Amino acid sequence: NAGVTQTPKFQVLKTGQSMTLQCAQDMNHNSMYWYRQDPGMGLRLIYYSASEGTTDKGEVPNGYNVSRLNKREFSLRLESAAPSQTSVYFCASSADRGTNSPLHFGNGTRLTVT
Amino acid sequence: AQSVTQLGSHVSVSEGALVLLRCNYSSSVPPYLFWYVQYPNQGLQLLLKYTTGATLVKGINGFEAEFKKSETSFHLTKPSAHMSDAAEYFCAMRTGGGNKLTFGTGTQLKVEL
Repeated sequence: NAGVTQTPKFQVLKTGQSMTLQCAQDMNHNSMYWYRQDPGMGLRLIYYSASEGTTDKGEVPNGYNVSRLNKREFSLRLESAAPSQTSVYFCASSADRGTNSPLHFGNGTRLTVT
Repeated sequence: AQSVTQLGSHVSVSEGALVLLRCNYSSSVPPYLFWYVQYPNQGLQLLLKYTTGATLVKGINGFEAEFKKSETSFHLTKPSAHMSDAAEYFCAMRTGGGNKLTFGTGTQLKVEL
């Protein structure tokens, strides 16, 4: 089973460029999430989607947009990249919310903005 | 406010020694608690999760965690460290009906010969 698949694995952008990070899961999960990981800060939630057609802001949503295209796919878009968005981005999914359903993570996208 | 605190950003142990990684939480409602492990250049993998009613939780790779409500703690232990345990470990909490999983800042475990 593929689980959660993220593309691309690596990306370098110049300040002001845009890009979309793709995420797909094959576990029929309802909820999907985007986190960023920065040294010494753990993982911080950017956006999440509790079900197809719904999205909500997390802890650090500024500078990002998301689309829950269907139940499988949840994309993260940077409209105008800034050096502060240099980070490792993780997509995750879970079966349900408000329970002890664990999150399943992709392998991450390492983004550098110069 | 809900929060998770991991004491010690770096922990070093000898191979065969006890591993103890500390996690304390702050929550106004009963939390769901998790430990994840992250190997270099990989995503996070679930080690174990707390289920209401069970104070000692067993996970994969010989790890276990004890939930202590009186101390608001969920420390991770392993009796005997192995070189392959070297990784970063994250404690995380979800509360009530919310979607948000709050992570600690992580503890890097180093295992020395």
